[in-house]
Amino acid sequence: DTGVSQDPRHKITKRGQNVTFRCDPISEHNRLYWYRQTLGQGPEFLTYFQNEAQLEKSRLLSDRFSAERPKGSFSTLEIQRTEQGDSAMYLCASSSGPSVEEAQYFGPGTRLLVL
Amino acid sequence: RKEVEQDPGPFNVPEGATVAFNCTYSNSASQSFFWYRQDCRKEPKLLMSVYSSGNEDGRFTAQLNRASQYISLLIRDSKLSDSATYLCVVIRAGTALIFGKGTTLSVSS
Repeated sequence: DTGVSQDPRHKITKRGQNVTFRCDPISEHNRLYWYRQTLGQGPEFLTYFQNEAQLEKSRLLSDRFSAERPKGSFSTLEIQRTEQGDSAMYLCASSSGPSVEEAQYFGPGTRLLVL
Repeated sequence: RKEVEQDPGPFNVPEGATVAFNCTYSNSASQSFFWYRQDCRKEPKLLMSVYSSGNEDGRFTAQLNRASQYISLLIRDSKLSDSATYLCVVIRAGTALIFGKGTTLSVSS
């Protein structure tokens, strides 16, 4: 399967714990995005990488959230001191092509439940 | 006002029906437009891009009206497998996809 992959698919944690999610984009896609989706809403943008550079961050990305893409391939999203409001589906997407307005392709998501 | 607005539905139609979804966007700087499909508890999947000239892919037709800032999706001859949430998506002069809440379609036999 050469699509976007995410790990883990599900995570249950207690409030106050740290969690880390991984995303492997489609091979050779240089752009990688993180989104968050809660029930009944469309996905909301969190942050964006072009290669290893983090070029854009949403105001949704509080200081408890950090994302990296150290070698321009896979990316990690860490949430520190989790809160119940962090419970959501975390989606990763990737894209390529000459324009940033290209369509993005999503991974299956990591579903986080904070107790 | 939300940047992308959709009628959440649900739209309940019988097999074979034609159904249309509309979506409006508020930022005239929006440059690219898409429809994504999302099945329950799954990731969004690209259905089609939307162009000003209109485009068709089998039973699906998408239209963009820049002057009125709305996007439409028409599904002809609905199938049971078309049941899903359809997400209207725009990209401004930037990088992030801006999603609507989605319109839920249920096709019944």
